[in-house]
Amino acid sequence: AAGVIQSPRHLIKEKRETATLKCYPIPRHDTVYWYQQGPGQDPQFLISFYEKMQSDKGSIPDRFSAQQFSDYHSELNMSSLELGDSALYFCASSRSGTEQFFGPGTRLTVL
Amino acid sequence: GENVEQHPSTLSVQEGDSAVIKCTYSDSASNYFPWYKQELGKGPQLIIDIRSNVGEKKDQRIAVTLNKTAKHFSLHITETQPEDSAVYFCAASETNAGKSTFGDGTTLTVKP
Repeated sequence: AAGVIQSPRHLIKEKRETATLKCYPIPRHDTVYWYQQGPGQDPQFLISFYEKMQSDKGSIPDRFSAQQFSDYHSELNMSSLELGDSALYFCASSRSGTEQFFGPGTRLTVL
Repeated sequence: GENVEQHPSTLSVQEGDSAVIKCTYSDSASNYFPWYKQELGKGPQLIIDIRSNVGEKKDQRIAVTLNKTAKHFSLHITETQPEDSAVYFCAASETNAGKSTFGDGTTLTVKP
């Protein structure tokens, strides 16, 4: 069965640079969620989109923005990167009213 | 907002024994409680979930119980196997399409 696809899987950036993470949800899923997971921590909700509209917002820094496109894929844009942004970033998708399925994650390292 | 507490943080059992992980939540509006298994370098994988109109749910060796009055829910794994070793997260959300608030995770080690 098709799963959530995230790219890139690994990303290394310098401080103050920008990064773009991409998420391709499971076909026919209309909702996308972004989570940030620091080392040894639980996933923290950042933001979600339903039918291309922002549906909920969590602890997402103002330096980050995200959107969901007409083909339902989503991108998380991160600017002015800080060392503390180093983490695993997960995307999850669901079909409204059903379970969330997580992607393999993007490991972001900020040097 | 929702706050989810999970215990224990680490759990070591012998192969074949049972493992129990407990979680409590604070928001009485939460009505969907998934459990995830996360292996090293991978994303969380949904293993079982329960909704607030159900008290118990079982899927082979895995069961989850929910006490909505006390605001706690538990994961039970019977006949544990080494491949059950992973980090397990409980979570709570208001609807099963809403954001999930995770517990801190339990590192389960099953010794052969």
